[in-house]
Amino acid sequence: QLQLQESGPGLVKPSETLSLTCTVSGGSISSSSYYWGWIRQPPGKGLEWIGSIYYTGSAYYSPSLKSRVTISVDTSKNQFSLKLRSVTAADTAVYYCAHSGSHYAFDYWGQGTLVTVSS
Amino acid sequence: EIVLMQSPGTLSLSPGERATLSCRASQSVSSSYLAWYQQKPGQAPRLLIYGASSRATGIPDRFSGSGSGTDFTLTISRLEPEDFAVYYCQQYGSSSFTFGGGTKVEIK
Repeated sequence: QLQLQESGPGLVKPSETLSLTCTVSGGSISSSSYYWGWIRQPPGKGLEWIGSIYYTGSAYYSPSLKSRVTISVDTSKNQFSLKLRSVTAADTAVYYCAHSGSHYAFDYWGQGTLVTVSS
Repeated sequence: EIVLMQSPGTLSLSPGERATLSCRASQSVSSSYLAWYQQKPGQAPRLLIYGASSRATGIPDRFSGSGSGTDFTLTISRLEPEDFAVYYCQQYGSSSFTFGGGTKVEIK
């Protein structure tokens, strides 16, 4: 049974870079042939896919965020990470990491972490 | 990018009633890659249905999914008190994922 846990600062200043890490337990990040992804949810709003990465390091991003996002994987630590540059208040959200298995459905989720962008 | 539109935005029903939720795509979606999620306040989404009609592990059989092409449906045959929540559809295609805007199922 996979378990995912997000970690990182809960407060980021405008124009700075948001950095989060997802630690995977209960399985090896490199044993999955599917995606590891980041999804966010602004307060009171719906879900937005940010991007996903294969264990090989091939990453795919939402077109609306592509210019500001980098997702990377560290198989030695069984972690994958998110960097979102030049943040504004509109990036305030609960950020989830998740695993998408067969049929590309997100079957395992972290509990989510609230990141607030404010000076 | 494929856009998913969910309707209605809010569904007001009583326990024991049948709920029918719609997810319409802006272009054809592979049935293999259409999923439904349930989200309760303060919780992460939970996978209900994948491949348009297959229930995820541990999901009661009162939840069913159907559809193909651009029109998909999630049906809850008889609403239980714990089913009142927000439901999202999601698709995968061309190395990209998108979510619908959600349908809130509330107690009437």
